Amino acid sequence: KQEVTQIPAALSVPEGENLVLNCSFTDSAIYNLQWFRQDPGKGLTSLLLIQSSQREQTSGRLNASLDKSSGRSTLYIAASQPGDSATYLCAVYPNDYKLSFGAGTTVTVRA
Amino acid sequence: KAGVTQTPRYLIKTRGQQVTLSCSPISGHRSVSWYQQTPGQGLQFLFEYFSETQRNKGNFPGRFSGRQFSNSRSEMNVSTLELGDSALYLCASAVEAGAQETQYFGPGTRLLVL
Repeated sequence: KQEVTQIPAALSVPEGENLVLNCSFTDSAIYNLQWFRQDPGKGLTSLLLIQSSQREQTSGRLNASLDKSSGRSTLYIAASQPGDSATYLCAVYPNDYKLSFGAGTTVTVRA
Repeated sequence: KAGVTQTPRYLIKTRGQQVTLSCSPISGHRSVSWYQQTPGQGLQFLFEYFSETQRNKGNFPGRFSGRQFSNSRSEMNVSTLELGDSALYLCASAVEAGAQETQYFGPGTRLLVL
């Protein structure tokens, strides 16, 4: 059974600092990995999707890398802003087609 | 383009009752998936529908069921509610079924079972 772990569970940084969020998964047989953002009490917003054949994806200040062989992905957020405060979740799409989520990293960016 | 909509947004029920939640996908999307989010278990996959057929199912009891209509709208039903069913229920839509697609989530329905 695929297990997805996100470390740390919570992170607090001053505005302007770069954020590094980690995600690991136990089964490397995945189709893709997605990073989502969730604001309190709200649904999820897709940030980046990395196909299994890709090594990284970039969108604006966000960059996500994928290393399937080691079962790891990292989400980098450059020059963090208070508006980046949210919970960030990674999810992998494994062979059984059941999207598996990590517990998330809650980020607080202090002004 | 309108996003994924879910109704109702909030719901309070008592144990033993049943509930039906509705999800309208983004126009043109044919895949709808449902998830349950709780503080203890996090986000867990319930089921996925594509072209009115259940394509995949998570590890939930038979009290949880769903269906999809010809216009891709989907409903989820939970019968004989238990306290542990209190959760945020999220649905997500995608253009097609399959691993290449980005999932777009709705705002969720928050269910409280008393």
